[in-house]
Amino acid sequence: DIQLTQSPPFLSASVGDRVTITCRASQGISSYLAWYQQKPGKAPELLIYAASTLQSGVPSRFSGSGSGTEFTLTISSLQPEDFATYYCQQVNSYPLTFGGGTKVEIK
Amino acid sequence: QLQLQESGPGLVKPSETLSLTCTVSGGSISTSGYYWGWIRQPPGKGLEWIADISHSGSTYYNPSLKSRVTTSVDTSKNQFSLKLTSVTAADTAVYYCARREVSVTGENDYWGQGTQVTVSS
Repeated sequence: DIQLTQSPPFLSASVGDRVTITCRASQGISSYLAWYQQKPGKAPELLIYAASTLQSGVPSRFSGSGSGTEFTLTISSLQPEDFATYYCQQVNSYPLTFGGGTKVEIK
Repeated sequence: QLQLQESGPGLVKPSETLSLTCTVSGGSISTSGYYWGWIRQPPGKGLEWIADISHSGSTYYNPSLKSRVTTSVDTSKNQFSLKLTSVTAADTAVYYCARREVSVTGENDYWGQGTQVTVSS
């Protein structure tokens, strides 16, 4: 199985901050990586797929980069509605796996 | 707009079988290029992929659950289903159904709202 390690697990930031979350894969997955945002009591929502493609309707302050084993999700200017938990997911091979999540909290 | 809705019992007794159905509306489950899957989230924890199924019935299961999981699809009802046998308290979770693009990029682009399943006597 491909393990995904997200860091940091918790992040405290202020509105307007630039935030970067890292996802490392235990083996190469090309660009087969997606990022999701989850708010309490809600289903995850797709933010980015194919490592760097923004899902339709997602604000442009979100961006993704990377390939192979190292990936990043960046929020260029954190907004109040961005406080949530973020997950990466590898879709390169079965079993599909998720990172452990990064909870972004208000500083 | 595609919508997915999970349904099924919210309470299951230990050792019994958990059965859930996902109803797809606003689009056809038979559309090529997509699989239909199940993902769960135990309380306070992260996401765990359970299974995928194609409209033709090809299945893919998480090895950690494979011996207990079965998925099926009913194209006439635009539904797909999950059965998990011999449940324990460790199977208590919110269960999500989701569509997954499988032609090129592989992401889960549409999700149901999730349904809480508690395993308890």
